[in-house]
Amino acid sequence: DAGITQSPRHKVTETGTPVTLRCHQTENHRYMYWYRQDPGHGLRLIHYSYGVKDTDKGEVSDGYSVSRSKTEDFLLTLESATSSQTSVYFCAISPPNTDTQYFGPGTRLTVL
Amino acid sequence: EDKVVQSPLSLVVHEGDTVTLNCSYEVTNFRSLLWYKQEKKAPTFLFMLTSSGIEKKSGRLSSILDKKELSSILNITATQTGDSAIYLCAVEKGSGNTGKLIFGQGTTLQVKP
Repeated sequence: DAGITQSPRHKVTETGTPVTLRCHQTENHRYMYWYRQDPGHGLRLIHYSYGVKDTDKGEVSDGYSVSRSKTEDFLLTLESATSSQTSVYFCAISPPNTDTQYFGPGTRLTVL
Repeated sequence: EDKVVQSPLSLVVHEGDTVTLNCSYEVTNFRSLLWYKQEKKAPTFLFMLTSSGIEKKSGRLSSILDKKELSSILNITATQTGDSAIYLCAVEKGSGNTGKLIFGQGTTLQVKP
């Protein structure tokens, strides 16, 4: 395993509520990523981080924010969840000097 | 707009068959192409390809990149039921270690006994 955990693993929430997903790594890697996976779309990058307090947007960042106050933790926040954000969310890390990304176990989020 | 397209989207074969999965891309600032296997959980890394024409092999799986044709294939020989999964192709773009991957839709492979 790549030393990545995600919490919670499953969550059901209601439209309009805030939700925070956590990604935790034990590898001390600089680069971390959040993706969402939906049928017919593969994985799409939401946000990524290249260091503590250094983050940038991916291709589907609207409605999401992130924070990284420690190397090991990368948080994804849905300020006001909508049904279109029902998805499986994956966190990934990338070791230095490689293009390879390793994925966490995923969080299944359902917004009713 | 950058895009990665995989074909076929789904495939059903019998054990022992050989399959070829395709990935084509139109991405600016291409760096590398990666293949992942996804069973009912997180994607797991298979191959990374950066140079055209050089085959990567791991057991019954192999992959090759054709930069001229902007495509890659993933071959699986003597398929087994354990090969049933979604196979994802991704292209990394950009400079430095930005690691921004653009994924295709995936090919769902079902191997029947």
